[in-house]
Amino acid sequence: EAAVTQSPRNKVTVTGGNVTLSCRQTNSHNYMYWYRQDTGHGLRLIHYSYGAGNLQIGDVPDGYKATRTTQEDFFLLLELASPSQTSLYFCASSGTGGDSYEQYFGPGTRLTVL
Amino acid sequence: QQKVQQSPESLIVPEGGMASLNCTSSDRNVDYFWWYRQHSGKSPKMLMSIFSNGEKEEGRFTVHLNKASLHTSLHIRDSQPSDSALYLCAASPPSSFSKLVFGQGTSLSVVP
Repeated sequence: EAAVTQSPRNKVTVTGGNVTLSCRQTNSHNYMYWYRQDTGHGLRLIHYSYGAGNLQIGDVPDGYKATRTTQEDFFLLLELASPSQTSLYFCASSGTGGDSYEQYFGPGTRLTVL
Repeated sequence: QQKVQQSPESLIVPEGGMASLNCTSSDRNVDYFWWYRQHSGKSPKMLMSIFSNGEKEEGRFTVHLNKASLHTSLHIRDSQPSDSALYLCAASPPSSFSKLVFGQGTSLSVVP
């Protein structure tokens, strides 16, 4: 089974603070994604990438930066955190072709911005 | 306005009963649908995908797709308490399998 890990699992910061969420996948998947999950909204795509150095804009990118440093590692950066960014963040990865498009999710990071 | 709408928001079915969940896309530029299941406190996991008109069955789970109406439905027969979870529908355009748009989810509770 595909393995995606995230760190930290929980994070509390203050308004205006800097936060970096980390994600690593060990499945040689090309695609990696960052989502946020809020009650009533399902999962919303923030940014995604199809390889090291590549970045694609998702549906809710405002206030977020992302960087894909290697095939395995994808980071989400909040440079001036706001309370509206309090959420559950999931990272996911997928391959390409047929059923390989299935997305495998990490365990999530719960972020609280005070 | 959510581009992928799911109904109902929540559903309670008795153990052994049939659960029926619905999902419709308002974006005509989608062609493929996925169903993910998320147990409480866990991450989403793909349950089934459907790309062609018609029906697909896997065990107790059946998915229908009507591309003309951009409507898909998930049916769970002989529902078990372990099926209690948030069910998320997602859609993507043919040009980008990777970019999924998720609905808000249906919360299913199966009661003994």
